Amino acid sequence: NAGVTQTPKFRVLKTGQSMTLLCAQDMNHEYMYWYRQDPGMGLRLIHYSVGEGTTAKGEVPDGYNVSRLKKQNFLLGLESAAPSQTSVYFCASSYQGLLYEQYFGPGTRLTVT
Amino acid sequence: DAKTTQPNSMESNEEEPVHLPCNHSTISGTDYIHWYRQLPSQGPEYVIHGLTSNVNNRMASLAIAEDRKSSTLILHRATLRDAAVYYCILRGSYNTDKLIFGTGTRLQVFP
Repeated sequence: NAGVTQTPKFRVLKTGQSMTLLCAQDMNHEYMYWYRQDPGMGLRLIHYSVGEGTTAKGEVPDGYNVSRLKKQNFLLGLESAAPSQTSVYFCASSYQGLLYEQYFGPGTRLTVT
Repeated sequence: DAKTTQPNSMESNEEEPVHLPCNHSTISGTDYIHWYRQLPSQGPEYVIHGLTSNVNNRMASLAIAEDRKSSTLILHRATLRDAAVYYCILRGSYNTDKLIFGTGTRLQVFP
């Protein structure tokens, strides 16, 4: 199993450009998550999904949109990138329920200039 | 939401035991205590979780105080690979779907 994979690994955007980050998992997990991590800080939840076709807002959802059209994929979109969105983005997935661990991807390092 | 408090950083020598503390004085009776760690330039990984009793697995042990207001993650013999940021996270009915990360404890391990 590949686990959780993220595409791309690195990206540089100019302010105002748009892009989509792709997260894929092959563990048949119901739940998927997008986090961002800024230097010296813990992870903050952007959006998450508890099943195919569903999405919900996390702590810091502004400026991002998500879609979960297929169970194995969770897309994070930036419609108009801003320098404040420079960060490392992590995707995660898990089975349903608070006793199940989350599995994290390797991260995408995004720089917005 | 119940919060956790951890030291910003700790140090250890290789092959020595490490005790990473976490205070959670407002924990509710149904909150589970989860630990994750994040190695440099990687995503977090699950370490262990528990409710009331002490727990052991291949990575670590979790000692939970009798009143549950604090817990300690124990690495029995630290290795250089254990250098990471360790996060203590509470999970309960109010956040069944999500993990809420704090800033964690940065563990340095010296040879």
